[in-house]
Amino acid sequence: KAGVTQTPRYLIKTRGQQVTLSCSPISGHRSVSWYQQTPGQGLQFLFEYFSETQRNKGNFPGRFSGRQFSNSRSEMNVSTLELGDSALYLCASSLDPTGATEAFFGQGTRLTVV
Amino acid sequence: GDSVTQMEGPVTLSEEAFLTINCTYTATGYPSLFWYVQYPGEGLQLLLKATKADDKGSNKGFEATYRKETTSFHLEKGSVQVSDSAVYFCALRRMDSSYKLIFGSGTRLLVRP
Repeated sequence: KAGVTQTPRYLIKTRGQQVTLSCSPISGHRSVSWYQQTPGQGLQFLFEYFSETQRNKGNFPGRFSGRQFSNSRSEMNVSTLELGDSALYLCASSLDPTGATEAFFGQGTRLTVV
Repeated sequence: GDSVTQMEGPVTLSEEAFLTINCTYTATGYPSLFWYVQYPGEGLQLLLKATKADDKGSNKGFEATYRKETTSFHLEKGSVQVSDSAVYFCALRRMDSSYKLIFGSGTRLLVRP
């Protein structure tokens, strides 16, 4: 069974640009969450989608957005990039969004903003 | 708000030593608790979980028991190996509408031969 696939693995962007990251969940999983990992702030929740609906959003500015498609694949977009957006962005998929369900993570996309 | 507190690292041990990584949490209700491990350059891998009080999660020689009275979920392993060197994250996930995972700051483990 294929795991969670995130593309691309690495990205270098310039301040002010925008970027789109992609996540393909495990087959059959309908819940996708996104997290930002930085050395200073650790792992922080960005948003969660289930059946194409955003269910929760973390404390990030409106420059961070996402969506989920009918096949459960998800994308997140960051507009007007800032240096502080440099981070490892992790996607997690779950069978459903109940609290006891395991979340399986992809390898992440490492974004560097210069 | 909900939070997870882990012991500061790095934790440096010799091979075959006993490991304990402390984790305590603050949450309303009865969250599920998880330990994740992150190897260099990788994402997070689920190590074990517990969904209710007194549950013991175990995997690959690692164990953790959900202690509601002390709000703790300490990770233990009887004999660590060099290959266990990684960063370990304790996390909680509430059972209500907020399904996000809340992570601790992570504890780096270094096992020397």
